[in-house]
Amino acid sequence: QVQLVESGGGVVQPGGSLRLSCAASGFTFSDYGIHWVRQAPGKGLEWVAFIQYDGTSKYYADSVKGRFIISRDNSKSTLYLQMNSLRAEDTAVYYCAKGEGVRFLGYDYWGQGTLVTVSS
Amino acid sequence: DIVMTQTPLSLSVTPGQPASISCKSSQSLLHSDGKTYLYWYLQKPGQSPQLLLYEISSRFPGVPDRFSGSGSGTDFTLKISRVEAEDVGVYYCMQGIHLPGTFGQGTKVEIK
Repeated sequence: QVQLVESGGGVVQPGGSLRLSCAASGFTFSDYGIHWVRQAPGKGLEWVAFIQYDGTSKYYADSVKGRFIISRDNSKSTLYLQMNSLRAEDTAVYYCAKGEGVRFLGYDYWGQGTLVTVSS
Repeated sequence: DIVMTQTPLSLSVTPGQPASISCKSSQSLLHSDGKTYLYWYLQKPGQSPQLLLYEISSRFPGVPDRFSGSGSGTDFTLKISRVEAEDVGVYYCMQGIHLPGTFGQGTKVEIK
């Protein structure tokens, strides 16, 4: 069965950095685009970033562009999110989500999420 | 960005009764490939979101047939034919025709 397991969350000071990981199993990781989606406490869902199946194309929300970097290692079936210059408003649960269908812009499976708290 | 608007934002339903959620998009979600990229997700309390429906009305494997979707273009509806206790949570519509993928505000469904 498809599994996505995020890790790497924690408490970080404003201006700090954090690297999230998402370990995938149960499907051919290198065949699918993958997303990061976040949810601030008590709020709705916000798309953060997307990387194509082969890593050649990457897209970011305006709110994180220039600060976050999405990457993947298909040999390890693992997705990453390098988060730099963190702000209080980046506080959220971060989910990785597998792209759906042939265009990958919807999501069919989600991980359990990892909490990032940006606070001094 | 495409704006997704859901109504109502909350719903209290008696078990066994039907429920309906509306979702409107600011642009058509019909792609040139003939598919309409409208998704419905349910986030149960304390859990991550789970896919219910894709392309307006196709049920994801394991989703009960009491969930159905309809609509076209910019107007969509999720219907639950007979609400059960396990259906409580927040329902989100989402468009997947263009990045950034955008979600509705969410509709919180509770049981009376």
